[in-house]
Amino acid sequence: EAGVTQFPSHSVIEKGQTVTLRCDPISGHDNLYWYRRVMGKEIKFLLHFVKESKQDESGMPNNRFLAERTGGTYSTLKVQPAELEDSGVYFCASSQETGRVGGTDTQYFGPGTRLTVL
Amino acid sequence: GIQVEQSPPDLILQEGANSTLRCNFSDSVNNLQWFHQNPWGQLINLFYIPSGTKQNGRLSATTVATERYSLLYISSSQTTDSGVYFCAVGYNNNDMRFGAGTRLTVKP
Repeated sequence: EAGVTQFPSHSVIEKGQTVTLRCDPISGHDNLYWYRRVMGKEIKFLLHFVKESKQDESGMPNNRFLAERTGGTYSTLKVQPAELEDSGVYFCASSQETGRVGGTDTQYFGPGTRLTVL
Repeated sequence: GIQVEQSPPDLILQEGANSTLRCNFSDSVNNLQWFHQNPWGQLINLFYIPSGTKQNGRLSATTVATERYSLLYISSSQTTDSGVYFCAVGYNNNDMRFGAGTRLTVKP
């Protein structure tokens, strides 16, 4: 079974440009999360999708960040315009639906996208 | 929100030594995971361990949910164990809260 995949693995852009990160969760996982680690700090939650709906977006830093999950499958995270402080590693994770028999809350993380804003 | 504290923040070992990493959390959780962030920045899931004890090779973990802490044991450490170890906790399918991590350096 394929794990969570993220694209690109690394992106280098200039301040003011736009970048779109993509996450493909594990097939069948309804829950999809975005996290990021910036400037060597702890990893922080950004938002949580259940299928195509935003369950919790309390961690989104500002309106320069826009996340979508088309048809409840893959998700994109767009940063427009990017600022220097957006540099860091952006992680995506997915988990099975809550309450599923034999299910687990384990969040499976992708390898991350390293974003560098110059 | 839930507070997660990890200790020690930094740990330097000689190859072959054993170590214990600790994670304290401030509230009831039913999801606790340990991760290893490798030198390439990737997060590797080590254990899903909301309670009890698990072992995987040289690694083992124990969570005492009633006392709100978890321990990660690394035995016979190798240079490839170097990196940052994160503890993360959550409740149901809500977001996970990460600790600041323990940076482990294993010297040959």
